Amino acid sequence: DTGVSQDPRHKITKRGQNVTFRCDPISEHNRLYWYRQTLGQGPEFLTYFQNEAQLEKSRLLSDRFSAERPKGSFSTLEIQRTEQGDSAMYLCASSLGTGAVALAYEQYFGPGTRLTVT
Amino acid sequence: AQSVTQPDIHITVSEGASLELRCNYSYGATPYLFWYVQSPGQGLQLLLKYFSGDTLVQGIKGFEAEFKRSQSSFNLRKPSVHWSDAAEYFCAVGQDSNYQLIWGAGTKLIIKP
Repeated sequence: DTGVSQDPRHKITKRGQNVTFRCDPISEHNRLYWYRQTLGQGPEFLTYFQNEAQLEKSRLLSDRFSAERPKGSFSTLEIQRTEQGDSAMYLCASSLGTGAVALAYEQYFGPGTRLTVT
Repeated sequence: AQSVTQPDIHITVSEGASLELRCNYSYGATPYLFWYVQSPGQGLQLLLKYFSGDTLVQGIKGFEAEFKRSQSSFNLRKPSVHWSDAAEYFCAVGQDSNYQLIWGAGTKLIIKP
């Protein structure tokens, strides 16, 4: 079990630039989640996938945010035209999507990507 | 709407002392309950979970938590803290739709030597 990995760990970008983050979930997990976390707060849900299907995206913060999981394995989160308010930690998590319902809630997190927009 | 409250923003405990972190939730059905820990600059690590059955659950690193339905609480405890326990602790509740977790704002644990 190699755990959830995220790349890059840190990203500094200038306002107006586009950024893309990658998440590799635990191999047997078919659910994948993206969260945003700002200082002093709990994670804020953004979107999630069951295999390659994006089942919830209404919580994405604006139309500048998009996520993909083209082959049901790794996922990318893109932010277009970044703003200073986008500076945060972006967390990816995965869970089992089959079996007991409770297991779908048991999410395992990656180390996160810290985005700084200057 | 479902919500999770962690009433203590930060708690300071002496090394070796006992610890209790509070978590209250607002949720109509039987909840799925979790505690996660986050060390500085790190992702979230699952400490323990409650799905059903025995209301006292054991987790990693010597932590335990007790589900009390009458109080809508799921407090985290440890009998003797170590300096390495200094971190931020988050309580989360599983929501039915979308398999989302609803999170508390976290409690920062500070350990005094």
